[in-house]
Amino acid sequence: DAMVIQNPRYQVTQFGKPVTLSCSQTLNHNVMYWYQQKSSQAPKLLFHYYDKDFNNEADTPDNFQSRRPNTSFCFLDIRSPGLGDAAMYLCATSRAGTGVYNEQFFGPGTRLTVL
Amino acid sequence: GENVEQHPSTLSVQEGDSAVIKCTYSDSASNYFPWYKQELGKRPQLIIDIRSNVGEKKDQRIAVTLNKTAKHFSLHITETQPEDSAVYFCAASDIGNDMRFGAGTRLTVKP
Repeated sequence: DAMVIQNPRYQVTQFGKPVTLSCSQTLNHNVMYWYQQKSSQAPKLLFHYYDKDFNNEADTPDNFQSRRPNTSFCFLDIRSPGLGDAAMYLCATSRAGTGVYNEQFFGPGTRLTVL
Repeated sequence: GENVEQHPSTLSVQEGDSAVIKCTYSDSASNYFPWYKQELGKRPQLIIDIRSNVGEKKDQRIAVTLNKTAKHFSLHITETQPEDSAVYFCAASDIGNDMRFGAGTRLTVKP
């Protein structure tokens, strides 16, 4: 059973052409994360939503935006992709609350290619 | 913010031997320490985790130890098998939900 779903799995875009990646979850988790992972590197947190509260990492470029219209869905918008934005983008979810430890469940990722 | 360091970056062992990967963290508020295994082109998969109120946890061939005083934790894999070959990431997070990953260890188990 799919728990964290990402679409598309592979995305090709042109330099400067906006692109949106989507993530959905069936776990009813209140926290959703977006990570960027480049080849042979660790996942790098871009931002996360705790319920509707948006938390941006200090070093996340302004080129990256996110939307969470409801509990189940979260989107990553890249306004003007550059060659350096080619990477695997991972969505993850967790259930956070008092006394709850935040094990994260990852989606399969979207591999973004920028031409 | 939290900073996680992981060593070694690559590790090669013979099938059947043990493998140990070590991580240190900087934020004493961190209270959750997962380990992820990532095979090429696939998502990170949680293999074991430990909370700050526990010093050691074991699951079959995999064990994790935590030393809160020294701020380090380690992954131990015994009786390694070729299918254990992958990249392993440690991570640390606190109640604020931010998770920081180590740089990863590429483990190769030679048959």
